[in-house]
Amino acid sequence: KNEVEQSPQNLTAQEGEFITINCSYSVGISALHWLQQHPGGGIVSLFMLSSGKKKHGRLIATINIQEKHSSLHITASHPRDSAVYICAVPPTRFGAGTRLTVKP
Amino acid sequence: SQTIHQWPATLVQPVGSPLSLECTVEGTSNPNLYWYRQAAGRGLQLLFYSVGIGQISSEVPQNLSASRPQDRQFILSSKKLLLSDSGFYLCAWSATGTGYTFGSGTRLTVV
Repeated sequence: KNEVEQSPQNLTAQEGEFITINCSYSVGISALHWLQQHPGGGIVSLFMLSSGKKKHGRLIATINIQEKHSSLHITASHPRDSAVYICAVPPTRFGAGTRLTVKP
Repeated sequence: SQTIHQWPATLVQPVGSPLSLECTVEGTSNPNLYWYRQAAGRGLQLLFYSVGIGQISSEVPQNLSASRPQDRQFILSSKKLLLSDSGFYLCAWSATGTGYTFGSGTRLTVV
């Protein structure tokens, strides 16, 4: 069993929809990261979380340390949000990614 | 501000040829440096990491090696490429209390 599990693997949404991607982990962490990988391959770090909630624009990330669970939410989704979102406990533990496609 | 440069962006190399991918970081000192590989449809796999000049740790035995000749320079090498070395290679850096910053990646195709 992967120590970092993400769901769903693939997600298709209509523009404007509220998106939720879930991440469960089974290892001790100091911080959990959410990454975004665009089709060209480059990876951008979205959030680094050790507790609570963080917000950046339309993106919100939450973490529950007791339950070992984190969620990434996208409000008012847009086609430019289409990417692979990766939950990670760097440097060695990465989820398999959630491929999000937002249709206009 | 801190930036990370990785090149080349794409590379097609014949089997048996050597490889050298370079990564440099600007705007920070003594970063932790990482080389990752992402095979098609797979997650990121840590290949090497370095906490200082000349200090390299290998996570996965393989046909590749890494070197850190300067504080902010990390090089991934191979003497003879295999078909199985094809993939997307990413360099990254981190420092205490910071997140991870990734380079733009190199797509390597071994033919």
